Amino acid sequence: GEDVEQSLFLSVREGDSSVINCTYTDSSSTYLYWYKQEPGAGLQLLTYIFSNMDMKQDQRLTVLLNKKDKHLSLRIADTQTGDSAIYFCAESLDQTGANNLFFGTGTRLTVIP
Amino acid sequence: DAGITQSPRYKITETGRQVTLMCHQTWSHSYMFWYRQDLGHGLRLIYYSAAADITDKGEVPDGYVVSRSKTENFPLTLESATRSQTSVYFCASKQGLGTDTQYFGPGTRLTVL
Repeated sequence: GEDVEQSLFLSVREGDSSVINCTYTDSSSTYLYWYKQEPGAGLQLLTYIFSNMDMKQDQRLTVLLNKKDKHLSLRIADTQTGDSAIYFCAESLDQTGANNLFFGTGTRLTVIP
Repeated sequence: DAGITQSPRYKITETGRQVTLMCHQTWSHSYMFWYRQDLGHGLRLIYYSAAADITDKGEVPDGYVVSRSKTENFPLTLESATRSQTSVYFCASKQGLGTDTQYFGPGTRLTVL
């Protein structure tokens, strides 16, 4: 199967920037996603990037993709306590037809007031 | 209520018993998915369905059975539950292919004693 790896924990102070990293192994990934999971809830799509893009910005979120190194990052500017959650990166491939998602292990972001 | 719902939210059962987890979506989405979430593994796909009466295996299908007689429902059955199936189960749906967002239900926490 596909391997999508993330570090498990990240702590930042409120107001600082957070950078969550992800590496993947399948170079045929078409789309890469970032999902957020708040405690006791399902996953919520934050943003996604197509594999032929290097960067995508959406308000406080910046996604960077280094396709050569198979490295994806999510930067959250001005991190707030409400950003505390688990963040999952995921990749999808075309081969299944359903664009099934392959998830990383998730990074638990803790924002310290 | 509109959206995607799962029931029950919590379930405790014993080894060898049959358990069915329900998933219902009100959007008439074509695709539905079942994932399990385990510490250190992120989310892994169990089964998915492209339409009513069309289902296919995901990454970890062993020990599970699904059906999709109606577009809006996608039940997941553990025919003879094992302790290794203790997990949080998420159902998701999406309209079609490509970047269509997968919408996740709130999850079912299953404990097998």
